[in-house]
Amino acid sequence: QQQVKQSPQSLIVQKGGISIINCAYENTAFDYFPWYQQFPGKGPALLIAIRPDVSEKKEGRFTISFNKSAKQFSLHIMDSQPGDSATYFCAASTMSARQLTFGSGTQLTVLP
Amino acid sequence: EAQVTQNPRYLITVTGKKLTVTCSQNMNHEYMSWYRQDPGLGLRQIYYSMNVEVTDKGDVPEGYKVSRKEKRNFPLILESPSPNQTSLYFCASSVERPSTDTQYFGPGTRLTVL
Repeated sequence: QQQVKQSPQSLIVQKGGISIINCAYENTAFDYFPWYQQFPGKGPALLIAIRPDVSEKKEGRFTISFNKSAKQFSLHIMDSQPGDSATYFCAASTMSARQLTFGSGTQLTVLP
Repeated sequence: EAQVTQNPRYLITVTGKKLTVTCSQNMNHEYMSWYRQDPGLGLRQIYYSMNVEVTDKGDVPEGYKVSRKEKRNFPLILESPSPNQTSLYFCASSVERPSTDTQYFGPGTRLTVL
C-alpha cells in the first residue's frame, strides 16, 4: 500500500525559530508533493507544492526540500510566527493518479 | 466567492439512523472527494468523483455511499451509521485530479454517532 510517513506528530517552536516537518515515501513513481495547512476549525488549504525536477522550492518563509534518492521531503518554516500554528499535512501522488496520499499530520504550535 | 460548502457543520446522531451530509461547490470543478480526518491517521479518502455519474472508492469506503447527479453537488450518505464513523469529514474539489490541481476543502462536518 502506498504510504507517506510524516514526523513529528507534534512540534513546539519558539517565535522566530525554524520549524521542520519531515515526510518519507515508498513509491518511487510519486512525482507531486504538496503540503496542506489546516487552521483550527477550518479545512486544509494548499500551502506549497514541489515536483521532483527541483530539489528545493521557496515561497516566502516556507521552503520544501526534496531528496529523491532518500525518498524524503520536508517543510521548513523560517522565522516561525504564532500565526503559523496549525496542522500541516504532506501528501504525494503521481501525475496520473486520481488520489492524493496524505501523511498523518503535524500539529505545530509557535509560542509567542 | 469561490467555495466548497458542507451541511450540517455539526451532527450528533444514533447508531443506525440514516444521514446525509451535503457538499456543494460553485467553481465548476470536475473532481470532488470526501475525506475523513481522525487523530493520528491524517486525511483518508472515502470516495471521489471524476465527473457527473462517475464515482470511485477511496481508501476507506466501507459504510458510506455517494452520488454525483449534478456537477456541483456530491452528498455523502451513511445508511446505517456506527460509532466508528464518528469523525471529522471534509469535502474537497479541484478542476481535475488533485495530482495536477489545487484541491479546495470545505469547512468540515463533525459527526458523532452514539
